[in-house]
Amino acid sequence: KNEVEQSPQNLTAQEGEFITINCSYSVGISALHWLQQHPGGGIVSLFMLSSGKKKHGRLIATINIQEKHSSLHITASHPRDSAVYICAVRGGADGLTFGKGTHLIIQP
Amino acid sequence: DVKVTQSSRYLVKRTGEKVFLECVQDMDHENMFWYRQDPGLGLRLIYFSYDVKMKEKGDIPEGYSVSREKKERFSLILESASTNQTSMYLCASSLWSGRTGAVHNEQFFGPGTRLTVL
Repeated sequence: KNEVEQSPQNLTAQEGEFITINCSYSVGISALHWLQQHPGGGIVSLFMLSSGKKKHGRLIATINIQEKHSSLHITASHPRDSAVYICAVRGGADGLTFGKGTHLIIQP
Repeated sequence: DVKVTQSSRYLVKRTGEKVFLECVQDMDHENMFWYRQDPGLGLRLIYFSYDVKMKEKGDIPEGYSVSREKKERFSLILESASTNQTSMYLCASSLWSGRTGAVHNEQFFGPGTRLTVL
């Protein structure tokens, strides 16, 4: 069973700072997801990647398959980026195995 | 836009009651999933279905069953609810990889049902 570890668990930063959230997993994978969950529960898929790097607006996700590690970066962070960010990898039965999430607060 | 809807946002039930959580998706996705989310434990897969009338156990199926009679609808059933099943339940769906040729496809999540069992 894949173990997914995220760091940090909690992160508070000032508006405009560059944010990095890390994810490590124990078993080789075919794809890794970054998800965003706002207060109230709704989950949005930010990225799904299997190699290299993807960018969407101020969000950048990278993955190093050999090192079993991925990072999510937020440039020019804003209070509306405050959310829980969750890393997930393909697990058993084609479902996902999730990290415990990183609770991000961006202060104005 | 893909839309995944769940029948209730909040639900309160009593111990021993039979509980049905419904999930509907409108994008003709083959795969549907039920997860539960608990503080400190994160999200965990309960059951998964890759086709009508097909189901697979996830990581924590005990105490749950599922039903997939139609492609767009996936139901999670708690036969006899217990207090340790108080949780946030999230449904998700995705395309079957055979349709896209991808190894794995993006999952789209519903808004969640917060179930409290008293």
